[in-house]
Amino acid sequence: EVQLVQSGAEVKKPGESLRIACKGSGYTFNRHWISWVRQMPGKGLEWMGRIDPSDSYANYSPSFQGHVTLSVDKSSSTAYLQWRSLKASDTAFYYCARHTSGYDSEFDAWGQGTLVTVSS
Amino acid sequence: EIVMTQSPAFLSVSPGERATLFCRASQSVTRKLAWYQQKPGQAPRLLIYGAFTRATGIPARFSGSGSGTEFTLTISSLQSEDSAVYYCQQYYSWLPFGGGTKVEIK
Repeated sequence: EVQLVQSGAEVKKPGESLRIACKGSGYTFNRHWISWVRQMPGKGLEWMGRIDPSDSYANYSPSFQGHVTLSVDKSSSTAYLQWRSLKASDTAFYYCARHTSGYDSEFDAWGQGTLVTVSS
Repeated sequence: EIVMTQSPAFLSVSPGERATLFCRASQSVTRKLAWYQQKPGQAPRLLIYGAFTRATGIPARFSGSGSGTEFTLTISSLQSEDSAVYYCQQYYSWLPFGGGTKVEIK
């Protein structure tokens, strides 16, 4: 069974750094791109960016470029979403999702979500 | 940048009735269009991809149609468990989502 399991909820202060994780299992991790999606409280889904686990090539939505960094650790089948300096407006649920096939494909599996709360 | 617009924002339908949801792209995305269902407190779930292909395990009452810029998700006979927010997403150029349609059971 394909599974994406995300790390637990985080509470941080503005200006702090953070990295959250998404561990894939039940499939060959290197063969499927991973995207990250933000959902602010009570709002819709926003695509943030995607990464190819085979070579760590990533690209980002213009709305998130420069504010977050995607990475992977192939040895542990884990993808990461990282911030160097959090803002209160980063408070949201964050989901990782597996691309079915290739970088331009739908998402056939999702993580359970990680709630990030940024508050002073 | 392709913008996805969903309508209506809110839909209230009686059990057993048909629900029709619309999604429009600001330029052609061919058939690279997916629909997702999100229930409160849950991650989204893939319903339809390629504009009309049901994902594994999705009931036949869910169907998708359209191509280019106009797409439709139809729930032929609404069940109580279909109460959710539905999102479209194009994957022709980047991967933006529409704003969502909330479906309520009357």
